[in-house]
Formats: sequence, C-alpha cells, structure tokens
Amino acid sequence: DTAVSQTPKYLVTQMGNDKSIKCEQNLGHDTMYWYKQDSKKFLKIMFSYNNKELIINETVPNRFSPKSPDKAHLNLHINSLELGDSAVYFCASSQTYNEQFFGPGTRLTVL
Amino acid sequence: AQTVTQSQPEMSVQEAETVTLSCTYDTSESDYYLFWYKQPPSRQMILVIRQEAYKQQNATENRFSVNFQKAAKSFSLKISDSQLGDAAMYFCAYTNYGGSQGNLIFGKGTKLSVKP
Repeated sequence: DTAVSQTPKYLVTQMGNDKSIKCEQNLGHDTMYWYKQDSKKFLKIMFSYNNKELIINETVPNRFSPKSPDKAHLNLHINSLELGDSAVYFCASSQTYNEQFFGPGTRLTVL
Repeated sequence: AQTVTQSQPEMSVQEAETVTLSCTYDTSESDYYLFWYKQPPSRQMILVIRQEAYKQQNATENRFSVNFQKAAKSFSLKISDSQLGDAAMYFCAYTNYGGSQGNLIFGKGTKLSVKP
C-alpha cells in the first residue's frame, strides 16, 4: 500500500490556468506538508498543516492555497499559473517529532 | 534563521569503496533533528538516516553512518561498500520541530555517482 500518494504525477498546463494537486496519506499522521523542488533540485517548504492549523510560508504567493478536507488529505490549489511555477511538488506527512514520509512528487510544467 | 550547507555539488566513488558527504548547518537551537534523504532518478525522496541532537552516539543504518559533531555543527554521511544503487542526489535536512512546525530545511544536495 502506498503510504503517501499524489495525483497527478505529471501535469502540463497553460499559463493562466488553475490547477490542483491532490495528496493523501494512510499512515495516520497528524501533520502534512507541501514542498517545492525547483529546476536546480532545491527543496523548500511551502506549507505545513497540523491538526487544522495551517502554517503559511510567507514567501509563497497567495495564488497557492492548500486545502485540507480531513487529516489524511492536503490538496494544493494553484490559481493563475505562471511559468515560474514549473517545478516538482512534493507532499509529505509525519507524526509529530518524527521523520517525514514523502509522496512520489508531481512534476508541473507550465507552458 | 536556520541554514543547511552542502559544499559538494557532486561526488564520485568507485563501487565497493567508501565515500563521505559533507553537511554543515547553522542554528541557535539546542534540540533539533538532522536527516539524510536520498533522491534517485525516480525522484522519490527516501529517508536514509536520522540523528537526534541530544544523542551523542552517531546513528548507523547498515552501510550508512553519520559523523555528528554538535559543537562544530557538522553532520556528514559515510557510505561504506558503495553500490551502483547508491547513485542519487543526497540531501541533508534539519528541523527543530518547534515554531517551524517540523518543516524540513534542506541543503542544496550532493549528486553522487558510483563507478563500476
């Protein structure tokens, strides 16, 4: 069974569109995260969500909005996509004070 | 702000040999956690090893071990008996699980090549 899953794995879209990436974890963890990996492989936190408390990274544009319908899901919605949003987006989860388990990543390409 | 530095963008090792990847970090916290993650071409992030700062003993996981020097803020990864499957990007990461809510701060990574 996949511990942390993301859909889709690949997403190609035009500038200006709105898209969502879904993330689900079946580990019973209480914290979920979104990370962005740029073209130089640098990984940076975007959001973390713990027991209904969302921690927003202030460097993330407000076009990005995470939504958590329940503890097992943390989706990422992106409005008005720009070329610079092209990256690999990773979802991760953890039980507080333990290591994070990552999803397979979603490669987003904005044309 | 905490930072993580990996000074070796690329490293190469002969199969069956030993290689050490370097990582330094900067923090004013006394309690934190350090990790090494491996990212093969499949792009999956795989946890290799973790170290709690309060533990003096260096962590080991089979062929992987760390040299944790808290005073020097150094956290290197040693891979023994290197195998072709070890070829990947390796990321050093830090978290203090405090106000950061457990967010991992990553270094820029080291690309490891393994020569047969």
